Amino acid sequence: AQTVTQSQPEMSVQEAETVTLSCTYDTSENNYYLFWYKQPPSRQMILVIRQEAYKQQNATENRFSVNFQKAAKSFSLKISDSQLGDTAMYFCAFQERGTYKYIFGTGTRLKVLA
Amino acid sequence: NAGVTQTPKFQVLKTGQSMTLQCAQDMNHNSMYWYRQDPGMGLRLIYYSASEGTTDKGEVPNGYNVSRLNKREFSLRLESAAPSQTSVYFCASSPRGSESYEQYFGPGTRLTVT
Repeated sequence: AQTVTQSQPEMSVQEAETVTLSCTYDTSENNYYLFWYKQPPSRQMILVIRQEAYKQQNATENRFSVNFQKAAKSFSLKISDSQLGDTAMYFCAFQERGTYKYIFGTGTRLKVLA
Repeated sequence: NAGVTQTPKFQVLKTGQSMTLQCAQDMNHNSMYWYRQDPGMGLRLIYYSASEGTTDKGEVPNGYNVSRLNKREFSLRLESAAPSQTSVYFCASSPRGSESYEQYFGPGTRLTVT
């Protein structure tokens, strides 16, 4: 069975600094997708960034980028120029291609300090 | 365009009572999902509906039932609530689900069972 592990329950970063959130996963499949979701204190979850496993190039969305290491089964999220609005819980998620199910990690609570 | 809506936002039940959580989406999505979120455990899939007329069990289906009433609506029923079902419940929808489509989440329902 696939598993997703986020080993950092809480992190903090100064405003304008860069922070990296870690995620590792375990699967025997070759075709899958990985996601980072953000859950602000308001609770509604939104997608931050998505990576297809067959793509070697790391995904980037503005200040958010990933470091996808397929062989190591690692999928970290880098937030550059951190802003107060980045304060949230961040979840890493895995989806095997052709299935409907997401597997979520336990989350990392990020606090951006002024 | 409201996205994914959930009712109620908060609910307190006594052990043994029943209730139905409602979810609706106005994005014409095929797939819908129910998750529960517990501290330190991330999101766990309860049930999902790949398309109108179909439902399948997720990771933690015991104690729950679902109905995909039509393409827009997907309800979650607790027949006999137990304190272990105290949680925050999220509904989500996705255009197709089995490809790497983003899941869109509702605002959640905080349920307490005493």
